[in-house]
Amino acid sequence: ETGVTQTPRHLVMGMTNKKSLKCEQHLGHNAMYWYKQSAKKPLELMFVYSLEERVENNSVPSRFSPECPNSSHLFLHLHTLQPEDSALYLCASSQERSIAANTGELFFGEGSRLTVL
Amino acid sequence: GQQVMQIPQYQHVQEGEDFTTYCNSSTTLSNIQWYKQRPGGHPVFLIQLVKSGEVKKQKRLTFQFGEAKKNSSLHITATQTTDVGTYFCAGVMDSNYQLIWGAGTKLIIKP
Repeated sequence: ETGVTQTPRHLVMGMTNKKSLKCEQHLGHNAMYWYKQSAKKPLELMFVYSLEERVENNSVPSRFSPECPNSSHLFLHLHTLQPEDSALYLCASSQERSIAANTGELFFGEGSRLTVL
Repeated sequence: GQQVMQIPQYQHVQEGEDFTTYCNSSTTLSNIQWYKQRPGGHPVFLIQLVKSGEVKKQKRLTFQFGEAKKNSSLHITATQTTDVGTYFCAGVMDSNYQLIWGAGTKLIIKP
């Protein structure tokens, strides 16, 4: 139990579907992140939220749409995805966004394994 | 762009042998973090190194941060089956505090 919970753990969707990934953290952290993990590639940072404000958006296609209604919850809305979007999507949180300000430790959820057909 | 290169991609060892993974950055790092991801699991924080030349130990794991703060290594002595997984470094860039991840080194214990 990491304190970061992701649902669903597995998702299969067609290219025309709309689905959402959910993340909830119980650690009282101020920053939340979405990462994409594909085989044999470094973790790709997608979005960062700090105190519910999006502070980073790393050129992610618009078919991925994040939402952060409060500091404990983060969503990733998915729409008209492509097969190459199949990956493990990891949510993480940290105490603050300015990583150098403290231990900088990221707490990851267990991930949502997404398959796009 | 800013990169952290991590080698090797895989390392096969017999149980009891040592394991080492290396990370090199193209730019100076503010600090570097190490994570472990078990098969089917998620990355779990191991340690953070901040000072130039720093060496930290956790039981059989030894972490080093280079003098120039551009490279780091993780060494595991006498590997055990519980060490299996992928080890990632993640460097915090001095310039903008972005966390840049290495591609990971997968530790495989030969049967």
